Amino acid sequence: GAVVSQHPSRVICKSGTSVKIECRSLDFQATTMFWYRQFPKKSLMLMATSNEGSKATYEQGVEKDKFLINHASLTLSTLTVTSAHPEDSSFYICSAREPRGVSNQPQHFGDGTRLSIL
Amino acid sequence: SQQGEEDPQALSIQEGENATMNCSYKTSINNLQWYRQNSGRGLVHLILIRSNEREKHSGRLRVTLDTSKKSSSLLITASRAADTASYFCATVDTNAGKSTFGDGTTLTVKP
Repeated sequence: GAVVSQHPSRVICKSGTSVKIECRSLDFQATTMFWYRQFPKKSLMLMATSNEGSKATYEQGVEKDKFLINHASLTLSTLTVTSAHPEDSSFYICSAREPRGVSNQPQHFGDGTRLSIL
Repeated sequence: SQQGEEDPQALSIQEGENATMNCSYKTSINNLQWYRQNSGRGLVHLILIRSNEREKHSGRLRVTLDTSKKSSSLLITASRAADTASYFCATVDTNAGKSTFGDGTTLTVKP
C-alpha cells in the first residue's frame, strides 16, 4: 500500500530555532500533500495544502511566514517552522493522497513529528 | 460546531463486545472516511464510503452512511484490546476537495 514517511519523529530545540520537517511519499507520486497540527486529545487541524510546483494554500489563521512549505518534487514536501517558540510545540502530521480520482482516494499519513520548543 | 463530529468522545468496553461510534457532518460530501490513530502516531485509513453507498464492510468493521441525516456510524464487532485507539471520521468537501476531521472517539478495549 501507499506509504508516507515523515521525519524527524521528534524534535526538541530551543526557542528561536527553525525546524524543518520532511514528508515523503515512498511509492506513489503526490501532487498534493497536507500539513496538519494536532493538539492533545484533539482533532487534526489543517494548516495548509501543499501543491507540487506551486505555492501552498494556507488555511485561515495560519501564518505563511511562520510555517514555510515547499513542495519541490512529486514525492517530497517540507514544512519549516521558523523561529519556533514554545506555543509552536505540537504534533505535526503530513498526509498525501494518490492522484487517481483524487477526491475518492483516502489520505495516507506520516507518523507525525512531535515538536517541543523549550 | 465543526464538520465531522464524533460521538461519543470516549468509549470503554470489554474485549469481545461491539463498539459503535457515530459521526455527523454539515456540508455536501463526495465520501466519508474513517481513520484510526494509535497514541502518538499518524492516522491509518480504515474504510471509505461514497456518498451513493449506504453500507460497507471490511473485516470486523461495518460503516453506514445516511446522507439524509448527514451521519455515519462505525461498528467494530468482537473488539480486541488491540483496537484501543482514537477513531476519526473525515469528510471530503465536494467543492474544496479538502478533508475535515472530527474530534474523534477514544476507544478503550479492556482485556
